[in-house]
Amino acid sequence: KAGVTQTPRYLIKTRGQQVTLSCSPISGHRSVSWYQQTPGQGLQFLFEYFSETQRNKGNFPGRFSGRQFSNSRSEMNVSTLELGDSALYLCASSLLAGPPGDEQFFGPGTRLTVL
Amino acid sequence: AQSVTQLDSQVPVFEEAPVELRCNYSSSVSVYLFWYVQYPNQGLQLLLKYLSGSTLVKGINGFEAEFNKSQTSFHLRKPSVHISDTAEYFCAVSASGTASKLTFGTGTRLQVTL
Repeated sequence: KAGVTQTPRYLIKTRGQQVTLSCSPISGHRSVSWYQQTPGQGLQFLFEYFSETQRNKGNFPGRFSGRQFSNSRSEMNVSTLELGDSALYLCASSLLAGPPGDEQFFGPGTRLTVL
Repeated sequence: AQSVTQLDSQVPVFEEAPVELRCNYSSSVSVYLFWYVQYPNQGLQLLLKYLSGSTLVKGINGFEAEFNKSQTSFHLRKPSVHISDTAEYFCAVSASGTASKLTFGTGTRLQVTL
């Protein structure tokens, strides 16, 4: 069974640009969550989608947005990039959303560098 | 809101020695607790989780953790480490009702040497 895939793996952008990252969950998984990992702030929850609806949201500005398609694939978008957006963006999928301890499977991440 | 504290940013240990990585949490509601491992240039892999029941949880790769409600701790242990255990370890918590929203600690870098 294929794991969670994220594309692209590496991305370099300049300040002010926008970027779209893609995540394909494990087949059959309906929940997709996004996390930002930086050396200074660690791992922080961005948002979670289930059945094309955003169920949970972290404390990030509106420049960060996401969506989920009917096949459960998800994209996140960051507009007006800032230097501080440089990070590893991790996507995680789980079979369902809500059952306690439903295991999340993480992808390898997309390394975004903003110059 | 929940929070997680990993008291040690780095833990050096010799191969075949025991290790304990410390994790404390705070929450006003019931929580679920997790330990993840991250190898270089990879995503996170679940080592073990505590949902309810027995406070001693066994995971993959010989790791185990003990949930201590009175001390709000969930320390990770392994009786004998291997070079391949060198990685970053993250303790995480999710609250009842928001199981998919994980709050992570800052991580502990386990460095195993010969």
